Amino acid sequence: DAGITQSPRHKVTETGTPVTLRCHQTENHRYMYWYRQDPGHGLRLIHYSYGVKDTDKGEVSDGYSVSRSKTEDFLLTLESATSSQTSVYFCAISDPRGGGLAKNIQYFGAGTRLSVL
Amino acid sequence: DAKTTQPTSMDCAEGRAANLPCNHSTISGNEYVYWYRQIHSQGPQYIIHGLKNNETNEMASLIITEDRKSSTLILPHATLRDTAVYYCIVRGDTGTASKLTFGTGTRLQVTL
Repeated sequence: DAGITQSPRHKVTETGTPVTLRCHQTENHRYMYWYRQDPGHGLRLIHYSYGVKDTDKGEVSDGYSVSRSKTEDFLLTLESATSSQTSVYFCAISDPRGGGLAKNIQYFGAGTRLSVL
Repeated sequence: DAKTTQPTSMDCAEGRAANLPCNHSTISGNEYVYWYRQIHSQGPQYIIHGLKNNETNEMASLIITEDRKSSTLILPHATLRDTAVYYCIVRGDTGTASKLTFGTGTRLQVTL
């Protein structure tokens, strides 16, 4: 998984509980991404980061926040989890140092399966 | 980004070539075609990308038509481990990061 570790791998929580998912990379890649995957929807981008403390919203960012205080770590927080946030969450990384198009080659973690009851 | 259209599912016998088509008729001149795949319960995996020339690597070959409106990913000798969902994505060198759009892809089933 290209030096990407997601934690936890599985989590069950209750509605209204805050949840933080962690993505840790050892590749020193500049860009990091959080996706969610639900049946029938493919992968949808939640938030992404283009550097330390630089983040932006993806297509399904409502209810989620992110932080990146170090190059290697990208945190996804559900401030108050809802059942609609039950999903599989994937972290990805990419790097522009190989040229502009290299950033389109993303490497993915193994995923976190989150259930909100 | 250009929209892509892929068949929902395909079957292939083990040892045979798997040819996965993708239509991207609205592709613009500076956009590349990327292929990823996702094996069940794993994160997506990059396979190959190209602009207009055919490309080959250790995993697959990519054939892009001369008008660039469609492409075909070829797995020359499919194995059971190639059973996965394959995503065709069109993307250029725009923006500060790569916001890839994954559709629902083609589910390839390789059988004995």
